Amino acid sequence: EAQVTQNPRYLITVTGKKLTVTCSQNMNHEYMSWYRQDPGLGLRQIYYSMNVEVTDKGDVPEGYKVSRKEKRNFPLILESPSPNQTSLYFCASSIRGDSGNTIYFGEGSWLTVV
Amino acid sequence: QKEVEQNSGPLSVPEGAIASLNCTYSDRGSQSFFWYRQYSGKSPELIMFIYSNGDKEDGRFTAQLNKASQYVSLLIRDSQPSDSATYLCAASNYGGSQGNLIFGKGTKLSVKP
Repeated sequence: EAQVTQNPRYLITVTGKKLTVTCSQNMNHEYMSWYRQDPGLGLRQIYYSMNVEVTDKGDVPEGYKVSRKEKRNFPLILESPSPNQTSLYFCASSIRGDSGNTIYFGEGSWLTVV
Repeated sequence: QKEVEQNSGPLSVPEGAIASLNCTYSDRGSQSFFWYRQYSGKSPELIMFIYSNGDKEDGRFTAQLNKASQYVSLLIRDSQPSDSATYLCAASNYGGSQGNLIFGKGTKLSVKP
């Protein structure tokens, strides 16, 4: 079954405690990305990756890091989380360069920073 | 700043009516446009994409694109209560790929039985 898997799905953490949200896809997609979704602000792209070892900033990259060492994995790293990073996070993947190709979203990770 | 604008709604329509959702975008370099449906607490799912001026139909859904006016719309015919969700419009300037998608904030649609 084609899927994008995120972990953890729910997390409450404290300010400053480093955390990683993992993302893995089983579709051999080249393109992967991370979004955060906040009430009234919609979906905003944090980082994206067009292929292994190729990453770029989205609209709201501050406070986040990513890596793409393997095609299937694209972890999101919060080195020193702060309360303003409390949000719903989505990982997504798709085939690169194919017009209208479906973008697959993970189920989302609810993150609360206290 | 590249932006995609949508009316937040809620847009309320009776069952069986046509729901019309609208979206404008600021970046003239945008080439592809996408409509996603998102149920509360769930991940977005792609309904349609369009990249040529004019209309594109898929079942009960019709997407319309007018690049001169920088305007995209989604029509839902014979609306059903199950269509009640938030609809997200997104624009991409990477041709057909979905790199660097810019999303609107979404329009909440409510279909009343």
